[in-house]
Order: sequence, then C-alpha cells, then structure tokens
Amino acid sequence: EAQVTQNPRYLITVTGKKLTVTCSQNMNHEYMSWYRQDPGLGLRQIYYSMNVEVTDKGDVPEGYKVSRKEKRNFPLILESPSPNQTSLYFCASNGLGGGKSGTDTQYFGPGTRLTVL
Amino acid sequence: ELKVEQNPLFLSMQEGKNYTIYCNYSTTSDRLYWYRQDPGKSLESLFVLLSNGAVKQEGRLMASLDTKARLSTLHITAAVHDLSATYFCAVSYTGNQFYFGTGTSLTVIP
Repeated sequence: EAQVTQNPRYLITVTGKKLTVTCSQNMNHEYMSWYRQDPGLGLRQIYYSMNVEVTDKGDVPEGYKVSRKEKRNFPLILESPSPNQTSLYFCASNGLGGGKSGTDTQYFGPGTRLTVL
Repeated sequence: ELKVEQNPLFLSMQEGKNYTIYCNYSTTSDRLYWYRQDPGKSLESLFVLLSNGAVKQEGRLMASLDTKARLSTLHITAAVHDLSATYFCAVSYTGNQFYFGTGTSLTVIP
C-alpha cells in the first residue's frame, strides 16, 4: 500500500530538548516536504527536498532542520524546541516534477502532534 | 508577498443545496490543488488543475481554474452530510514550493 508514515504521532516535550520526527514514504517519490498546521493559518511549508542531499527552505524554516540522506526518508529535527513550535506537523511526498511539471499531487502522512512545554 | 486566500472560511449549508468555495492567489501559477481534511485526520487529494480553463469533477464536487484571474472555485452540488470537512486549496511553484489557503470549514446540516 502506498503510504507516508510519520513517527511519533504524538509528542510532549520540554523547551530545549532536541527531538526528531521521522518521515518515510514507499512510493519512490523524489519530492518530500514538511508542513506545520496551526488554527487559522492553514498549512505552511517548513522545508522541502527535491532529491537526496537536495533540500531548501520553505515559508517558515526558522528553528527547524532537515536532512535527506536516503530517498525514502526525510526527518525533521528541532534542535532546541520552543513553545511556539507547538503544532500539528505533516510530512508529504510527491513524484517527479513536483510543483513545476507532471501531475502528481502530494501524499500526506498521518500527522504528528507536538506540544512543547 | 505571496498569498492564497479562501472564501468563505466557514460555511454551513443545508443538505441538497449548492454552494461555491473560492480560492484566490496573488502570484501566477499554472498548478492548483484541492484537498480535503476530516477532523483529526490527514489531507486527502481531491483535484489537480494544470492549466487555464481546467475543470474536473468527482461526484458532487467540481473544481475549475482561471489562471488569468488567479482564481479557482470548488463547486458543491446538492450537498450531503458526508461532504462535511475542511477544504484547502494550494498553489505550487518552481522547486516544489507549495502555498496553502487557510481552509474552508464546511458543515452540511440536514
């Protein structure tokens, strides 16, 4: 079954304690993205990747890091989480052409609800 | 500044009625997406619109794109309760950048 998986699904942590949210897709997609969803703001893109070792900032990258060492995985790293990073996070993947050509839409993971105290 | 605006933000409609959700975007894009999100769930792709004048239909939902006006519409025909959800439009740009609207929360009442 084609899917995007994220772990953990729920996480409560404290300010400053480094954490990683994992994301994996089994569709051999070149493109992957991370989003945060906040009430009244829709989804905002944090980082995206167009292939292995190719990443770029989205709309709200501050306080986040990503890496793409393998095609299927795209972890999101919060080096020093703060309360304003409390949010619902989604990972997504899409096929070649991504936002410029082709017809692939994004496939979203189930989401990770993060609370930073 | 790149913006994607949806109207209305909240929509309560009776079963059997028709309505339209609007999505305006500020910067030219030739690619527009519609997604559905049920409460507590992830996003599900509904439509991908690739060119000016594109129209796609699935069941009671029909989406269209006017790139010159930078406007997409999602038309709901004869609404049923199962359509209650939040609907998002999104536009994409070079390099896999995506910008989402703030969403339209639709409630269909008997």
